[in-house]
Formats: sequence, C-alpha cells, structure tokens
Amino acid sequence: DGGITQSPKYLFRKEGQNVTLSCEQNLNHDAMYWYRQDPGQGLRLIYYSQIVNDFQKGDIAEGYSVSREKKESFPLTVTSAQKNPTAFYLCASSPRRAGQVNEQFFGPGTRLTVL
Amino acid sequence: SQQGEEDPQALSIQEGENATMNCSYKTSINNLQWYRQNSGRGLVHLILIRSNEREKHSGRLRVTLDTSKKSSSLLITASRAADTASYFCAVLNAGGTSYGKLTFGQGTILTVHP
Repeated sequence: DGGITQSPKYLFRKEGQNVTLSCEQNLNHDAMYWYRQDPGQGLRLIYYSQIVNDFQKGDIAEGYSVSREKKESFPLTVTSAQKNPTAFYLCASSPRRAGQVNEQFFGPGTRLTVL
Repeated sequence: SQQGEEDPQALSIQEGENATMNCSYKTSINNLQWYRQNSGRGLVHLILIRSNEREKHSGRLRVTLDTSKKSSSLLITASRAADTASYFCAVLNAGGTSYGKLTFGQGTILTVHP
C-alpha cells in the first residue's frame, strides 16, 4: 500500500449523517485522487487534486466534497446528499511529471456502510 | 461509455498455466496501465505501456498494446496461486490538456488453483 494511509478501515454511519474519510501520503506526490468501487465493478473517480488548494470534480462528484489544504492530506466528505454512499473508497496519489499522470499509488481503502 | 473494458470477466486456471487478459478502449490514449487488487485491498500498479510502445515485460508479466485495434493484453506466465486477484486496466487520455485522468475497466477476476 506504499506510503498512503486511509482511516478508518471500516466505517458505519446512519443515513443522513455526513462522514469524512481520511487520506494521508508521505510520498511527496503532488496529485491525489478519490475513487469509489462498488462490488464487482471498476473504480470511478470522485475528485482529484493536482496541487495544494486546488481540486477538480471527477465523474461522480455529486454528494461528495474534498479539501486540499496540505500536500500530504486529501480528506473526502460523504454528505447526506449522496444517495447511495455504501461502497469501498480508495485514495491514491501520483507524482506529477510533465503534466501527465503516471502510475498511481493506492491506500488500503475504507469500506463505508450506511445503515 | 466506459473505456478500459476487460475480457474475460473471470478466469480460472491451474498453477503453472499462463493467464491472458484483454482490455479494449474507445478513444486515443497517452498510456495504458495494469493494476492488481487483492480482495478488499487497494490497487497495486503492475506495468505502464505508452501509446508509442507495442510490448513491455516485467518479470512474469508481458503487456502488449495495439493502438490500431485499441486493445491491450496482459499475459502472466507460469501462474502461481498467489497471482489470484482482480486485474484492472486503466487508460490515460490527456485530451490535449495538461492533465489527464485514468479511466478504469471493470476488471478480470483471476483464480489460480494450486
């Protein structure tokens, strides 16, 4: 899982509550990403950030929010507006070379279950 | 529609056999990457092949890229039980911008029986 940590590993929340997932990296990578994975599916991009204090919506940003106040941290908040939040959430980072995405390094994931 | 679609969805083989997984995509790409995921874990990067490359090797892994057919294949030779995992391809299309996003396929579940 490289130098990326995600916490907690398992998270249970009641419907209607906001919840924040943590992602920290010590790889000195500029770019960071949040993905959602549903059973038997590939990864879908929620948000990404190329640099501190900047982030962009991915393909399924509705109901989620992020911040990037520090290079090593990229927390994801799952809001009550997210209609189907139960999923496996993966954070990743990547060195940013010449403006292109190279290989991504993933954290171990957080499994969120909304009851 | 989604890029990076893998085939087959599931593959079951005996230890020692070779495993081949295919990936197709729809638009032009900058590079194509293969990742592995053990059950319930994060993804691990295996290999990256650029759009101007046709073949790349890494240990027991061999990746080919055919941009005319918009397809790639991942070959794992002499498979081991420890190779059991899901394998994903991901394509990068920078689209003329300074930054590109990876688009992942749905993955191939590989089971290697001892």
